[in-house]
Amino acid sequence: KAGVTQTPRYLIKTRGQQVTLSCSPISGHRSVSWYQQTPGQGLQFLFEYFSETQRNKGNFPGRFSGRQFSNSRSEMNVSTLELGDSALYLCASSPLGGATDTQYFGPGTRLTVL
Amino acid sequence: AQSVTQLDSQVPVFEEAPVELRCNYSSSVSVYLFWYVQYPNQGLQLLLKYLSGSTLVKGINGFEAEFNKSQTSFHLRKPSVHISDTAEYFCAVSEMDSNYQLIWGAGTKLIIKP
Repeated sequence: KAGVTQTPRYLIKTRGQQVTLSCSPISGHRSVSWYQQTPGQGLQFLFEYFSETQRNKGNFPGRFSGRQFSNSRSEMNVSTLELGDSALYLCASSPLGGATDTQYFGPGTRLTVL
Repeated sequence: AQSVTQLDSQVPVFEEAPVELRCNYSSSVSVYLFWYVQYPNQGLQLLLKYLSGSTLVKGINGFEAEFNKSQTSFHLRKPSVHISDTAEYFCAVSEMDSNYQLIWGAGTKLIIKP
């Protein structure tokens, strides 16, 4: 099976712009989670989608949003970018998103905000 | 889980020496425990997980971890490390009644000295 893919791999944006990141999960996986990884804060959970519904959300401002399509592909959007949004954004998929599930991670999208 | 603590941000060790990476958690309910590894410029991948049964869990690449309920710990060990083990290691916990969210430790960078 193909792994989790994320596009683009690298992005450079300026403050105030918006950005959309894409994630294609492993075939058959219905749960997609998004994480922000920074050197200072580590891995922080953004949100999780299952069957096109957001089931759980981390403690991020409303500028961070996401959605999931019927084929389980997911996108996350960050509006009005701030310098502090520079980070590696990781997407992970799992079959059902249950507490015992292994999460399979993509390589990430490196976002730089200038 | 209320929190996951990885006690060491960096662990330097000589090649072929043993290593232990420490992880402690706090939770008022039963938990599932995971160790993930992140190689440079890559996403995370599962090393091993404890769901139930034997408290000694074996994973990939010669790693193992032991769940100690009384100490609320899940330390990761390897008897002999190789240069290829250079990576960042993350401990994560999910609660049995969780809403599909993993709680992550801050990570430990394993530095292999030749």
